[in-house]
Amino acid sequence: DAKTTQPNSMESNEEEPVHLPCNHSTISGTDYIHWYRQLPSQGPEYVIHGLTSNVNNRMASLAIAEDRKSSTLILHRATLRDAAVYYCILRDVDTGRRALTFGSGTRLQVQP
Amino acid sequence: NAGVMQNPRHLVRRRGQEARLRCSPMKGHSHVYWYRQLPEEGLKFMVYLQKENIIDESGMPKERFSAEFPKEGPSILRIQQVVRGDSAAYFCASSPLDRAITDTQYFGPGTRLTVL
Repeated sequence: DAKTTQPNSMESNEEEPVHLPCNHSTISGTDYIHWYRQLPSQGPEYVIHGLTSNVNNRMASLAIAEDRKSSTLILHRATLRDAAVYYCILRDVDTGRRALTFGSGTRLQVQP
Repeated sequence: NAGVMQNPRHLVRRRGQEARLRCSPMKGHSHVYWYRQLPEEGLKFMVYLQKENIIDESGMPKERFSAEFPKEGPSILRIQQVVRGDSAAYFCASSPLDRAITDTQYFGPGTRLTVL
């Protein structure tokens, strides 16, 4: 499976944008980029996913590099509730394997 | 639409006892996944089930652990003869679709197992 690399932790101020990077230099053409987050003492929750084009939804935006070797999750205005561990996960549709492979993620702290 | 439900939320067992963790998927979902999160560690996949079938158990320990998802009722993760190393948070997730590319997994709140 292609690996992802994320910073261990990041800090942000409330109401400011946050850019969470993810490197995936060995990504294959059939790997989708998924992001999940885990709030304290809760189960993970889906945030967003994409293949090649940038994606937007009500929670966040996903910016994917042209060569697909990296991507950035963008929270446009961080709130205290966004403090969580964010996981960047690659899913290869060719393998048909459904299990999510969680790395160590990025722990985002949001300061008031 | 109720989310994924897990019970109990907290479970305490003594070494050697059995633990049964239950997961009710979201309405209309027929795929269930179990993950384990050891203290201060990341989530690890354990097993993937569809109704009455185990599809992928590559992450399941070979001994003492079993899972089922019967035609009726919740999915059950069963741990026999628990040891202290089984203390962890166990998360269940469910998904509705057959196509992996849009297979968003919806997670439950987890069961926190403590083995004394």
